Amino acid sequence: KQEVTQIPAALSVPEGENLVLNCSFTDSAIYNLQWFRQDPGKGLTSLLLIQSSQREQTSGRLNASLDKSSGRSTLYIAASQPGDSATYLCAAFTGGGNKLTFGTGTQLKVEL
Amino acid sequence: GAVVSQHPSWVICKSGTSVKIECRSLDFQATTMFWYRQFPKQSLMLMATSNEGSKATYEQGVEKDKFLINHASLTLSTLTVTSAHPEDSSFYICSAQARGGHTGELFFGEGSRLTVL
Repeated sequence: KQEVTQIPAALSVPEGENLVLNCSFTDSAIYNLQWFRQDPGKGLTSLLLIQSSQREQTSGRLNASLDKSSGRSTLYIAASQPGDSATYLCAAFTGGGNKLTFGTGTQLKVEL
Repeated sequence: GAVVSQHPSWVICKSGTSVKIECRSLDFQATTMFWYRQFPKQSLMLMATSNEGSKATYEQGVEKDKFLINHASLTLSTLTVTSAHPEDSSFYICSAQARGGHTGELFFGEGSRLTVL
């Protein structure tokens, strides 16, 4: 059974700082790994999707990497802004069972 | 991009009543839809997987007679919480996988917050 863990659970940083969010998964047989953002009381916004054959994906100030062999993914946020404050979720898609397993989330707060 | 719409976005009901939540793929056909629930400050937990025209597959511990899922068309899946009780209060989110889309690329609805009094 796939288990996805995110560290840290919460993070508070000053505006402008670069930061890294970590995601680990136990079953390396994944099709892809996705990063989402969730604002309080809202649904999910897809940020980046990395296919199993890829090493990283970039979108604007966001960069996500994937290391299947070690069961890890990181989300790098450059020059953080208060508007980046949200909960960030990673999710691993496992083909066997066609399931997306979510991590525990990292609650990010970027302060002025 | 692909859009998934959920309705209602929030609902308050009395204990013992049934509530139906709709999940629609607006600009694509969804062969598979997933239903999740999320408790406060927790991650999303998969409840069931529904394929168009067939019975839903429920995750362990999810009561299929309480959470009725219908996926009658390629653009609509519904989740009915039957005889709702306060412990069913939660945030319910659906996602859809596009026919012919990248494996595992899912599009999420905005979520539906259910409060049972």
